[in-house]
Amino acid sequence: GDSVTQMEGPVTLSEEAFLTINCTYTATGYPSLFWYVQYPGEGLQLLLKATKADDKGSNKGFEATYRKETTSFHLEKGSVQVSDSAVYFCALSERTGRRALTFGSGTRLQVQP
Amino acid sequence: IAGITQAPTSQILAAGRRMTLRCTQDMRHNAMYWYRQDLGLGLRLIHYSNTAGTTGKGEVPDGYSVSRANTDDFPLTLASAVPSQTSVYFCASSLTSSYNEQFFGPGTRLTVL
Repeated sequence: GDSVTQMEGPVTLSEEAFLTINCTYTATGYPSLFWYVQYPGEGLQLLLKATKADDKGSNKGFEATYRKETTSFHLEKGSVQVSDSAVYFCALSERTGRRALTFGSGTRLQVQP
Repeated sequence: IAGITQAPTSQILAAGRRMTLRCTQDMRHNAMYWYRQDLGLGLRLIHYSNTAGTTGKGEVPDGYSVSRANTDDFPLTLASAVPSQTSVYFCASSLTSSYNEQFFGPGTRLTVL
């Protein structure tokens, strides 16, 4: 079945550091890919998405590129802020069938001033 | 305010008791989902509904049931709670099952003793 693998956390960075959170996936079809963010005590919010190969999703300074050849969707940000501290989830959705999201286990990011 | 509401916010429940978690959305979304979030496992799909009157099983459906009598409401019922159902439960919706951006509620934290 489908699966998503994320790097283990927590990831601890200083403010203004460069962020990469790795995400790879396994899918039988040609999925859409997502990054969701969960701030403390809140539900998940969509951060960015990409629906086809080589698409780049971007939002709030975060970017991720859909790489079909490496089945990856790594999240990057050039300069993190303390307010970016949260848990980040990579997810995929198949284009047929149930179409529900399959999530990775989440990566906690802690940004220190 | 448009969005998804869940009730209760949190609940402590004795094992063997019946419990219904409520979820209501006012966005006129056709598709709705229930996930559980457990540490280190990300979010896992319990049940889903592509449209009012239909439901389907997700990845971890055992011990849970759902109904979808109308577009707005999607309650999740634990017929006889067990400690392994201690988790945070998130309801989500999307415009249609093929429009795969999902919007999440704030969650219900359930503890079964």
